[in-house]
Amino acid sequence: DAGITQSPRHKVTETGTPVTLRCHQTENHRYMYWYRQDPGHGLRLIHYSYGVKDTDKGEVSDGYSVSRSKTEDFLLTLESATSSQTSVYFCAISESVQVNEQYFGPGTRLTVT
Amino acid sequence: AQSVTQLDSQVPVFEEAPVELRCNYSSSVSVYLFWYVQYPNQGLQLLLKYLSGSTLVESINGFEAEFNKSQTSFHLRKPSVHISDTAEYFCAVSRSNTGKLIFGQGTTLQVKP
Repeated sequence: DAGITQSPRHKVTETGTPVTLRCHQTENHRYMYWYRQDPGHGLRLIHYSYGVKDTDKGEVSDGYSVSRSKTEDFLLTLESATSSQTSVYFCAISESVQVNEQYFGPGTRLTVT
Repeated sequence: AQSVTQLDSQVPVFEEAPVELRCNYSSSVSVYLFWYVQYPNQGLQLLLKYLSGSTLVESINGFEAEFNKSQTSFHLRKPSVHISDTAEYFCAVSRSNTGKLIFGQGTTLQVKP
């Protein structure tokens, strides 16, 4: 298994509070991704990173920000959580954008009450 | 724009029966194709991939998928399923150098004894 961990694994928070999810990899892969998984929607890309301090938006980026200060860590922040952000969040890594074979972390289940 | 359609949201089958999970994609350019599997409460694992060459690709646990360019399909098949194959299966497509995977909505395979 690729060395990808996510923390926390579960979180319950209240509407309006900020939340930060962490993705940590030990593979030294250049590309990192944040997805959310919702029933009927599959996985949708929130943000991705193609290097330290280099990030870009995905298809559902509103309400989310990311940071990558080190190769191994990619942080996802919900600046003011809303109930619509209740979801399961997955981090993924990839060595090459040419083929883009991605490896996924175990996920974080976030509930916003 | 690219899109991926998985034609069945749920596929119930009996153990040892054959199964086909259907995936169609739309793209005007060459793509790479993937099938991922997600077991309950886990992250996604790469099951198999088509990059180039032979249009029939196989996984280590008996699944196979065939790339059909004329029909823009990448259906997943297994001649005899086991209870342990119960999971959600995602088809995904990537264009070279875009750094993005586009996922289908997922198909839940439920294998009954």
